[in-house]
Amino acid sequence: ELKVEQNPLFLSMQEGKNYTIYCNYSTTSDRLYWYRQDPGKSLESLFVLLSNGAVKQEGRLMASLDTKARLSTLHITAAVHDLSATYFCAVVRDDKIIFGKGTRLHILP
Amino acid sequence: DAGVTQSPTHLIKTRGQQVTLRCSPKSGHDTVSWYQQALGQGPQFIFQYYEEEERQRGNFPDRFSGHQFPNYSSELNVNALLLGDSALYLCASSLNGGNTGELFFGEGSRLTVL
Repeated sequence: ELKVEQNPLFLSMQEGKNYTIYCNYSTTSDRLYWYRQDPGKSLESLFVLLSNGAVKQEGRLMASLDTKARLSTLHITAAVHDLSATYFCAVVRDDKIIFGKGTRLHILP
Repeated sequence: DAGVTQSPTHLIKTRGQQVTLRCSPKSGHDTVSWYQQALGQGPQFIFQYYEEEERQRGNFPDRFSGHQFPNYSSELNVNALLLGDSALYLCASSLNGGNTGELFFGEGSRLTVL
């Protein structure tokens, strides 16, 4: 059974700092997604990672995928308050999409 | 270009009732999947529809059923509602059975069961 674990589940950080969110999964995967969710809102697609070694960047966010380690990371550079949200990774295998529990990120001014 | 649209946005039901939620996929998309998100939790995969058939299903009871129409829109039906069915129900659309990349989510239908 495919399981997805994110850590940390809660993260409070200062503006301007760097930090990384980790997403581990238990079996081989077809692809991996990162999403952002603001309170009371739907999911906003951030990245789709399809192959080993994939790295994608958008603004202050960078995602990478290591399929051998079954690990994806979401790195935040020089955090700003607007990045406060909950971040989910989701892993796809055999057309089943399994989400992690999410990382609630709070960035302090 | 309309994105994924869901209706209704909010609804309140009582235990034992039945509910139908609707989803229109993003233009050009042919695959719809449904998720249940309880408060403070990650979305849980219910099922996926492609070419009007259920392709894959998560760990949900038979009370949860669905349908996909020839225009690719979809419905989620939940029978014999329980208090624990209260959640945000999200629909996502994709292309080619979801094998070519992004999932786009609608704004969700928030169901409250009293």
